Amino acid sequence: GQQVMQIPQYQHVQEGEDFTTYCNSSTTLSNIQWYKQRPGGHPVFLIQLVKSGEVKKQKRLTFQFGEAKKNSSLHITATQTTDVGTYFCGTGNTGKLIFGQGTTLQVKP
Amino acid sequence: DVKVTQSSRYLVKRTGEKVFLECVQDMDHENMFWYRQDPGLGLRLIYFSYDVKMKEKGDIPEGYSVSREKKERFSLILESASTNQTSMYLCASSLSSGDSNQPQHFGDGTRLSIL
Repeated sequence: GQQVMQIPQYQHVQEGEDFTTYCNSSTTLSNIQWYKQRPGGHPVFLIQLVKSGEVKKQKRLTFQFGEAKKNSSLHITATQTTDVGTYFCGTGNTGKLIFGQGTTLQVKP
Repeated sequence: DVKVTQSSRYLVKRTGEKVFLECVQDMDHENMFWYRQDPGLGLRLIYFSYDVKMKEKGDIPEGYSVSREKKERFSLILESASTNQTSMYLCASSLSSGDSNQPQHFGDGTRLSIL
């Protein structure tokens, strides 16, 4: 079945540094969704990408969908302590999602 | 705002017990899902449902069953709890939209410990 691999599993950064997490698949993806889970919280939807090469921005967050629709990335510019959490990518159709393993971001103030 | 409510935040049960985890959503969503979350393994789909009385197996259905008697409620049942079912369980719901995907809205989770 469809699988997505997410790297890295963990990332520690100094506040103000940039951060990127990657979501990769061996098959073409119809779409990709990104979620953020704060420590002790539940996953919260951030964005969905559906078009080849699509780039979307939310303040300091930049989301990209690869040209071949086999990979996606989430980049955070100048991290803040509020960015701490686990970021998941998910893909699927007919409503069902397969999630990556998640990338846990720690930010040192 | 969508509200997905899980009946318990923390639950402790014994091996062999039948365990019920309840989930209710208030936005008339057609789709409902049960996941378990374990460190390093991400979110794994146990069961999902596209409508009342309908259920589909996810990636790890063994040892679990579900019930969807009403549209707003989706119950996860551990038929005979075992220690390897100790985990965080997350319920989610979403609107139905044909072949495409809508955002999933998650509950706060139930941290279940089986002793």
